[in-house]
Amino acid sequence: IAGITQAPTSQILAAGRRMTLRCTQDMRHNAMYWYRQDLGLGLRLIHYSNTAGTTGKGEVPDGYSVSRANTDDFPLTLASAVPSQTSVYFCASSKAGDSGELFFGEGSRLTVL
Amino acid sequence: GQNIDQPTEMTATEGAIVQINCTYQTSGFNGLFWYQQHAGEAPTFLSYNVLDGLEEKGRFSSFLSRSKGYSYLLLKELQMKDSASYLCAVRDQDYKLSFGAGTTVTVRA
Repeated sequence: IAGITQAPTSQILAAGRRMTLRCTQDMRHNAMYWYRQDLGLGLRLIHYSNTAGTTGKGEVPDGYSVSRANTDDFPLTLASAVPSQTSVYFCASSKAGDSGELFFGEGSRLTVL
Repeated sequence: GQNIDQPTEMTATEGAIVQINCTYQTSGFNGLFWYQQHAGEAPTFLSYNVLDGLEEKGRFSSFLSRSKGYSYLLLKELQMKDSASYLCAVRDQDYKLSFGAGTTVTVRA
C-alpha cells in the first residue's frame, strides 16, 4: 500500500541521548516535511525538503537536523534530546502542482525524560 | 511568516450545519487548505482554495476571500463521525504549509 511510513511509532528517551526518527515514502513525491504537534499549538514545521539534495528550516528548527539523500527518505535527528522536545512528530510529503496536498505519516510519539 | 486564527472549540447537533472560520495574515499567499484530524490519528486532506469563492465537495464546502484574509469550512448534515479537529493551513510562496491550532468540533446526538 502506497504511503508514508514512520518509525518508531513511540519512544521514550533519556535527555541528552541522540535519536533519529525515520520517514519513508513510496509515492515519489518531491517535497517532504517534518512537523511537531503539541496541545494548543497545532502543527509546527521543523524542517522541509522541496527536492532530494536540498533542505530548509521551518518555524522551529533548533535542536533538529534533517537530510535528504534520495527522494524516498527524510530522517529527522535530535542530536541531544531535551524534555521540551516531547511531542508527536509527523512526517508528510506532497507532489509538485497546484493542490500539493500533504500526505501524512501516522506519527511518532516521543517522550524525553 | 503566517498568523492563522481559528476558534478552539465548537459544538453542534447531529444533522445540523457548522461553520468554522479561519483568518490569516501572510507574507506570501499560495493557497489555503483544510484538514481533518481524528484524535490519535494523522491529519487528512479535506479541501483546497487558491482563488476566491466556494469549493464544494459533498457535505463539506470551503470558502476563500483573499482580500479579507478569510476562509471558512462548512460542514453540513453533521454526523457523529465528523467529531474531530479541523485544521486551517496556509501555503506560502516557498510551498511551505503553516497550520492554525485547530478547531475541535464535537457532534452531539
